[in-house]
Amino acid sequence: DADVTQTPRNRITKTGKRIMLECSQTKGHDRMYWYRQDPGLGLRLIYYSFDVKDINKGEISDGYSVSRQAQAKFSLSLESAIPNQTALYFCATSDLRPGSGETQYFGPGTRLLVL
Amino acid sequence: LAKTTQPISMDSYEGQEVNITCSHNNIATNDYITWYQQFPSQGPRFIIQGYKTKVTNEVASLFIPADRKSSTLSLPRVSLSDTAVYYCLVVLSNAGNMLTFGGGTRLMVKP
Repeated sequence: DADVTQTPRNRITKTGKRIMLECSQTKGHDRMYWYRQDPGLGLRLIYYSFDVKDINKGEISDGYSVSRQAQAKFSLSLESAIPNQTALYFCATSDLRPGSGETQYFGPGTRLLVL
Repeated sequence: LAKTTQPISMDSYEGQEVNITCSHNNIATNDYITWYQQFPSQGPRFIIQGYKTKVTNEVASLFIPADRKSSTLSLPRVSLSDTAVYYCLVVLSNAGNMLTFGGGTRLMVKP
């Protein structure tokens, strides 16, 4: 979805380095998510936020932290990157409207390689 | 953590109808069932969403039985471009609003 952007799209870093992945959305949604996908596997939830003051751990939050700087921005940080954090990372947004279920809109992904 | 269950993979041929079933035993009264499609190296894309009985759009149909413990995504007359991974997502309110994707079903459409 073009309304959800992620930067950088690709990143190579070394073990022990701190890196930040950024996500921005123009959809006006309150809910934002970070997922990780490993080759051949499904999506796993890292962190999610239902509004600016709300941060929740997902299934695999160890080794990651997030910051919700504004409604439109949600950043994922790896304080000290390790090789098994090599993966494809997706940001998503959603709204929850009365009378319908939640629909998530995904960004294009950030491919991260930790050497 | 409540999860959904789907077949890992399915094969089909061009022009056939494909049905993918998702099990969601912990679904709550107000939860909706949503299906996504994902191509390699792209983010998942919304296909269809439903609450009960049947929903149809220009891409697919979604069948939900009365007990709502499962759902079936139906893709009519698939083509090679339908080769993708399909995910079932249920907002499980009895799991503290934690969102969970199923493991995904890898559909391979053959000529």
